[in-house]
This record gives sequence, C-alpha cells and structure tokens, in this order.
Amino acid sequence: GAGVSQSPSNKVTEKGKDVELRCDPISGHTALYWYRQSLGQGLEFLIYFQGNSAPDKSGLPSDRFSAERTGGSVSTLTIQRTQQEDSAVYLCASSFRDRQPQHFGDGTRLSIL
Amino acid sequence: KNEVEQSPQNLTAQEGEFITINCSYSVGISALHWLQQHPGGGIVSLFMLSSGKKKHGRLIATINIQEKHSSLHITASHPRDSAVYICAVPHGGSNYKLTFGKGTLLTVNP
Repeated sequence: GAGVSQSPSNKVTEKGKDVELRCDPISGHTALYWYRQSLGQGLEFLIYFQGNSAPDKSGLPSDRFSAERTGGSVSTLTIQRTQQEDSAVYLCASSFRDRQPQHFGDGTRLSIL
Repeated sequence: KNEVEQSPQNLTAQEGEFITINCSYSVGISALHWLQQHPGGGIVSLFMLSSGKKKHGRLIATINIQEKHSSLHITASHPRDSAVYICAVPHGGSNYKLTFGKGTLLTVNP
C-alpha cells in the first residue's frame, strides 16, 4: 500500500522492558512525525524529522524516549524501561514537506502491564 | 504554547442535519488543521487552511485569522460521518509542531 505503515499494531509488555515501535512513511515524504494519544488525553507531539536536519525532540516526555530515522525513511521510536504511564497509542505521520497535510499511520497501541 | 479550544465536546445529530464544529486558538498561526478520527483510531487529514474557506464534498472549513477562530461544517450529515473531529494548530513558532484540541465526538443517527 501507499500509506504510512506502523508496526506492531499492538504491543503488550511488562513494566521495565524496552520497546521499539516502527514507522515506514510514504515514499518521498521528507517530514516524519511521532505523536502520542493517551486515554482521556488529546494527541501530543513527540518528535519531528525533516530530511537530514537534526530532529526536533522537544516533545519527548523523558530521556527514556528516543527516536531515529535511518536513511531518511524508516523511523524507530524506542522507549526504555517502560512505565505504566507510557501506555498509549503511538501514531506516526509523514508529509511531503512541513507545511503540507500529514498522512497518519494506524498507530501502535502500547499496553504496559 | 498555543491553546486550542473546541466546541462542542459531544454532538449528536440526525441524518441530514447541518453540523458545525468550532475551534478557537490563542496565538497567531500560519495554518490550521482539521483531522478526522474514526473508531478504531485511524486519523485522516481533512483540511489545512491559512485563510478563507475550503470545501471538499460535504465538508467545509472556514478560518478567521483576526478572530483566531475556525469552523468545520458538514452538510447533509450521514451516519458514516460519525467520528471524532480534531482541530490542530502549530505552536512554538514552528510550522510543524502541532497542538491539538481535545476533539469533538460527532454521532449521526439514521
């Protein structure tokens, strides 16, 4: 398909474990975004990648969260030593450039036991 | 940070009714986004607008930059329009770092 692909769609893990969430953006899209949607909360910005520029990590909630984007394409969001408050849906989006409409993936539903 | 307020929080309508959802924000912006989230979570970008009005099918979005206000209208509403509608604006002086409203849950009954 031509859309943004995220994997896994669901992840259940124990508190304290590390998790990796993957995002495959639309081919040719230089901008990539990660968001989090917690139960009862709105969407919140986590991190932004644009081409080869340094990412904007200002939305990451703690140093347990990190993300990388390899080759300007696939991105991985890593959460270390997961806590129960990390339980949320993590959404990835991409756009042709910034200032363009964003195309969202279906998200990864993360549950921390 | 840009504060975003949406109203109403919940809206129930009968099929065929004209729907209006409102969004207000606190800081001047370059563009405003309207998103649709169906049950099950998939998010679709409906509009991105910086002035005036945009129309796509039965959906119309308007924005008043001076009043820092936008509206999303749905004409001839249909049960398949049932979803959460979310307004988002940039913050922090960026074009990409979005602040999201809490969303409006629309239910259209047949």
